[in-house]
Amino acid sequence: GDSVTQMEGPVTLSEEAFLTINCTYTATGYPSLFWYVQYPGEGLQLLLKATKADDKGSNKGFEATYRKETTSFHLEKGSVQVSDSAVYFCALRRDNFNKFYFGSGTKLNVKP
Amino acid sequence: NAGVTQTPKFRVLKTGQSMTLLCAQDMNHEYMYWYRQDPGMGLRLIHYSVGEGTTAKGEVPDGYNVSRLKKQNFLLGLESAAPSQTSVYFCASSPLPPNIQYFGAGTRLSVL
Repeated sequence: GDSVTQMEGPVTLSEEAFLTINCTYTATGYPSLFWYVQYPGEGLQLLLKATKADDKGSNKGFEATYRKETTSFHLEKGSVQVSDSAVYFCALRRDNFNKFYFGSGTKLNVKP
Repeated sequence: NAGVTQTPKFRVLKTGQSMTLLCAQDMNHEYMYWYRQDPGMGLRLIHYSVGEGTTAKGEVPDGYNVSRLKKQNFLLGLESAAPSQTSVYFCASSPLPPNIQYFGAGTRLSVL
């Protein structure tokens, strides 16, 4: 079945460090891929998405590239800020399907 | 800018009690979803709806019932609460096609 695997957290970085959060997926066909972010005490909100192979999603300095050959969608940011501290979820949705599949989430702590 | 509103925000139940969680969206979205979030397990889909009057089971439907009598509302019921249902519950909605989900702020439920 469809599934998403994320790297275990928490990830602790100093401000201005480079961030990578790994995400790999299993799905038939050509799913759309998403990164959601959850700030403390809030619901999830969409950070970025990509709908086909080699697409790059980007938002607020975060980027992720849809790599079909490695079934991956790793999240990167060149210089993290304290305000980026949150839980990040990778997710997929197969075309013509109504359901989303979420990874287990990766908590990011950024220290000043 | 209400978006997706969940009520209540917090609730404590005793084993065997019943309750209903309400989700309301004001974006005229067709799809609505109920998830539970548990530590280390990410989001798991309980039930979802692809339109008014329709519901379908997700990944973990046992012990829950849902209804979508009005397009804007999606109710999640627990008939006889169990400690295993202690969790944070999130509602989400999506337009057609479901390329993005909008989440509520969550309901934290404790079953003693």
